[in-house]
Amino acid sequence: KAGVTQTPRYLIKTRGQQVTLSCSPISGHRSVSWYQQTPGQGLQFLFEYFSETQRNKGNFPGRFSGRQFSNSRSEMNVSTLELGDSALYLCASSLGRNQGGRPDTQYFGPGTRLTVL
Amino acid sequence: GESVGLHLPTLSVQEGDNSIINCAYSNSASDYFIWYKQESGKGPQFIIDIRSNMDKRQGQRVTVLLNKTVKHLSLQIAATQPGDSAVYFCAETGHTGRRALTFGSGTRLQVQP
Repeated sequence: KAGVTQTPRYLIKTRGQQVTLSCSPISGHRSVSWYQQTPGQGLQFLFEYFSETQRNKGNFPGRFSGRQFSNSRSEMNVSTLELGDSALYLCASSLGRNQGGRPDTQYFGPGTRLTVL
Repeated sequence: GESVGLHLPTLSVQEGDNSIINCAYSNSASDYFIWYKQESGKGPQFIIDIRSNMDKRQGQRVTVLLNKTVKHLSLQIAATQPGDSAVYFCAETGHTGRRALTFGSGTRLQVQP
């Protein structure tokens, strides 16, 4: 079974621009979560989508948004880019439902490295 | 998916030795605690998890210990191998059903041949 794929793997943008990142979950997974990873803040949760609806949201400004399509693929958008948005953006997919009280294991993609100049 | 964190604490061990990686967590209400491994160029990979009502769980070559009294979590790796070299993160779920993981800052494990 193919893993989580993210495109593009690397991206360079300038301040003020916007960017869209894409994530294809593992087949059969309906939940997609996004995380930002930086040296200073570590791994931080951005938001989670399930059945095309945002189900959870982290503490990020409204410039960060996302969506999910009917095939569970997800996109993340960052508008008006700032230097501090330079980071590795990770997508994780999971079934989207707990099983017998156990948490729903998340499987991560390789990430998109975004550099803002 | 490279590991980030230029100033991560580093644990250096000899191949074949046992490794113990520690983590302090903050949310007493977390229902599950999870260990992830992140190798250079890859995203985090699930290793093992433990529910808050347990104090020990064993997997293949790994054991996770949970001490709720002091809010401490540890990952023990037996017979550490060069392939275990990576950054290790603990994470907590906060509440069963939530997929908004809260991650620790990470520990870099270096295995010396």
